[in-house]
Amino acid sequence: QQPVQSPQAVILREGEDAVINCSSSKALYSVHWYRQKHGEAPVFLMILLKGGEQKGHDKISASFNEKKQQSSLYLTASQLSYSGTYFCGTVDMRFGAGTRLTVKP
Amino acid sequence: DVKVTQSSRYLVKRTGEKVFLECVQDMDHENMFWYRQDPGLGLRLIYFSYDVKMKEKGDIPEGYSVSREKKERFSLILESASTNQTSMYLCASSLPGLSYEQYFGPGTRLTVT
Repeated sequence: QQPVQSPQAVILREGEDAVINCSSSKALYSVHWYRQKHGEAPVFLMILLKGGEQKGHDKISASFNEKKQQSSLYLTASQLSYSGTYFCGTVDMRFGAGTRLTVKP
Repeated sequence: DVKVTQSSRYLVKRTGEKVFLECVQDMDHENMFWYRQDPGLGLRLIYFSYDVKMKEKGDIPEGYSVSREKKERFSLILESASTNQTSMYLCASSLPGLSYEQYFGPGTRLTVT
């Protein structure tokens, strides 16, 4: 069972914020996030472990709520370079379908 | 920098052909993975390997096999290509115990006609 991501796509203007959600019907022990820019390979961003610890990567942060079996990725003051498709993944190497983020000038 | 390379960026094959997709990593990673990526479905794991000559099935192994004779090389084999195997194939590698932090290759876009 792949995790479910929402929204499927989002369009932002530079400087705006966005939230991408990832949820699972199975117990989550950790969640990891990747970004794939158009035509490129996915790149690891961060991992969220049990305990609700919030991690950060530049102005991109994430939270993990193991009770709710969900994680959220927060993109603050988005930049053009944030454009791409974001995937969440689980410890058993199942990935969500992705959220396509487009940041416009 | 970790480098994962795949033998071809684009490949066109005919139905019924045997297809080999090669992946090589240069960081001495024990773990290697093969995924296919389809629009709306994301990344789906086909096979993975934790060591030379070892392999484990992922979620969608049907119609595929793998070979890992050397640590740095992991091959995906389509025994008899079919049109529903037209897809983007991504290879990845990681250190043991760090399977969440995978380094991906650029992908091979396979078209089966």
